[in-house]
Amino acid sequence: DTGVSQDPRHKITKRGQNVTFRCDPISEHNRLYWYRQTLGQGPEFLTYFQNEAQLEKSRLLSDRFSAERPKGSFSTLEIQRTEQGDSAMYLCASSLANRDHEQYFGPGTRLTVT
Amino acid sequence: DAKTTQPPSMDCAEGRAANLPCNHSTISGNEYVYWYRQIHSQGPQYIIHGLKNNETNEMASLIITEDRKSSTLILPHATLRDTAVYYCTTGSARQLTFGSGTQLTVLP
Repeated sequence: DTGVSQDPRHKITKRGQNVTFRCDPISEHNRLYWYRQTLGQGPEFLTYFQNEAQLEKSRLLSDRFSAERPKGSFSTLEIQRTEQGDSAMYLCASSLANRDHEQYFGPGTRLTVT
Repeated sequence: DAKTTQPPSMDCAEGRAANLPCNHSTISGNEYVYWYRQIHSQGPQYIIHGLKNNETNEMASLIITEDRKSSTLILPHATLRDTAVYYCTTGSARQLTFGSGTQLTVLP
């Protein structure tokens, strides 16, 4: 399967703990995006990378959130000091830079903060 | 504030055309309209996008009104596998944000 993969698929953590999610994009895609989706709502943009450069961040991305894409391939999203309000599905997507309207999404990581 | 307005749910008979409306009255002149769908427990899937001309691909057709304030996604022959939440959004493709979409249920 050469689609976007995310790991883990599910994560349960206690409030105050740090969590890290990984996204592996489609190999030739130079753009990578992170989204958050809460129950009953559509995905909301968090941030995106072109190669290893993080080019845009949403106001939703608080200081407790950090994303990296060190070699322009896989990406990680870390949440520090998790809060119950962080419970959501975290989606990753990738695209070619000249076809950013056509994003390919992974299955997501569902985070539950207890 | 939501940039687009969609009905929360619609039903369609299998084999018939599904017409999903979207209002985007505040769209700017250079903003595209994008449609994605999300089948339960999966990530969203790109369907189609357009600026002002009608567009068609292997999945669907997109009809945009002349004033660009609304659009309609057409699935010409809906199947049970088309049951999903359909999202319409506008703006920058690099910062897509979706509203709550339309739950389309295709009935046998």
